[in-house]
Order: sequence, then structure tokens, then C-alpha cells
Amino acid sequence: EVQLVESGGGLVKPGESLRLSCAASGFTFSNAYMSWVRQAPGKGLEWVGRIKSKTDGGTADYAAPVKDRFTISRDDSKNTLYLQMNSLKTEDTAVYYCATHRSGSFDYWGQGTLVIVSS
Amino acid sequence: QSALTQPASVSGSPGQSITISCTGTSSDVGGYNYVSWYKQHPGKAPQLMTYAVSNRPSGISNRFSGSKSGNTASLTISGLQAEDEADYYCSSFTSSTTWVFGGGTKLTVL
Repeated sequence: EVQLVESGGGLVKPGESLRLSCAASGFTFSNAYMSWVRQAPGKGLEWVGRIKSKTDGGTADYAAPVKDRFTISRDDSKNTLYLQMNSLKTEDTAVYYCATHRSGSFDYWGQGTLVIVSS
Repeated sequence: QSALTQPASVSGSPGQSITISCTGTSSDVGGYNYVSWYKQHPGKAPQLMTYAVSNRPSGISNRFSGSKSGNTASLTISGLQAEDEADYYCSSFTSSTTWVFGGGTKLTVL
């Protein structure tokens, strides 16, 4: 059974940093492309970024609002995906989901972790 | 990249069919067959319902079907049931090598 468990969310002040983790199990993590998707309170889904498998280069792509502030990385030895978030803004407040990425879609999702950016 | 356009709400009675539209541009929906649909209950994670325009993941009822014509994709739910009531989102790959979601549609089963 595929399981994705996010952690690391919390309350931070504008300008601060936070790192989210996503522990994966039930599939071959090293072969998987992975994405982060967020959802602001009461709003719709917003794609944050995706990282390819290391076999396919391990590179990441980002949405314009987070490019140059957020970094996605992976540790295949720990089956863990990360999202390093720097220079956080109030508009980054959201539930952050990690998801497996296959055939152009997000097929398995975690339960999400809440990030609140407020002074 | 602007969000894809979905109706804010749709409704139908049990047993009826409804269709939710998702309009983009030739740079996203119209240009690629990477359109997917998601169902989300309040406070829960989204669930993949269809992918690559018209494919269903294992375990998803054949009452859910996806299609695309030009820059508009559609999700049709036939034989509407009470448990279908939820928010639905479409998503598409874009020419900028990014993904974009629709604003979401609230389905009410009357």
C-alpha cells in the first residue's frame, strides 16, 4: 500500500524558513517522480513543484510564485522527499501535500501538513 | 500561468448525469493529453479520478469519464450518487514545463 506522510509544518514569521518532509513507503521511491501541491485555506489546489527521479536527472521544476525561494530535494536512501521553503510570505500559508507524479497526474497523495506564515 | 477555468458549482439529482468543464488554452489543455481530474472532500486529500484525459485509475468507478475537445476538458459523472458530492479539480501540463489546476467546482447532489 502506498503511503505518503508529510511533516514539518507549523507557524513561522514572514521572512523565515521551514523544511517539510514527506516519508514514502509501499513503492519504489527512487524510481518515482514526486510533486508538492498546496492549498491555501478555503482556496483551490496550486502546484508547487516536481522533482524527477535521479535516473532521469533528478532535476526540479517550480511554479513561478515559489521559484528562487523554494527547493525540492530527495533522499532515496531514506525514501524521503523534502521542500525547503525560504523567505516565506503570508501568501505561502497553506496545507502542503506531497504526491507521486505519474503519466502527467498526481496519483497518490499524503494527508498534508499545515504551514502558517504570520507575524 | 493562469488557473484553468471551471464553473464554481454544478448540481444534479441522484441517478442523473452531470458534466464539469475545464477551459484552458493551447499552451496547456489544448496542447497536451496530460489532463487529470481530482475529487476532494472537505479537510481530506485529493483523489485522482481520471488521468491522461480519459483513463481511470484502478478502483475508480466507470461512472466517471474524462474527455477533451480543443482547449476544453470535461469530467462526466453518470448515475449520480450522494457520495459524489465533493469539490472537483482539473489539472493540465503546460508548455512552461509546469502544471496548472482549475479553480475547482463544488458538486451538490440534490
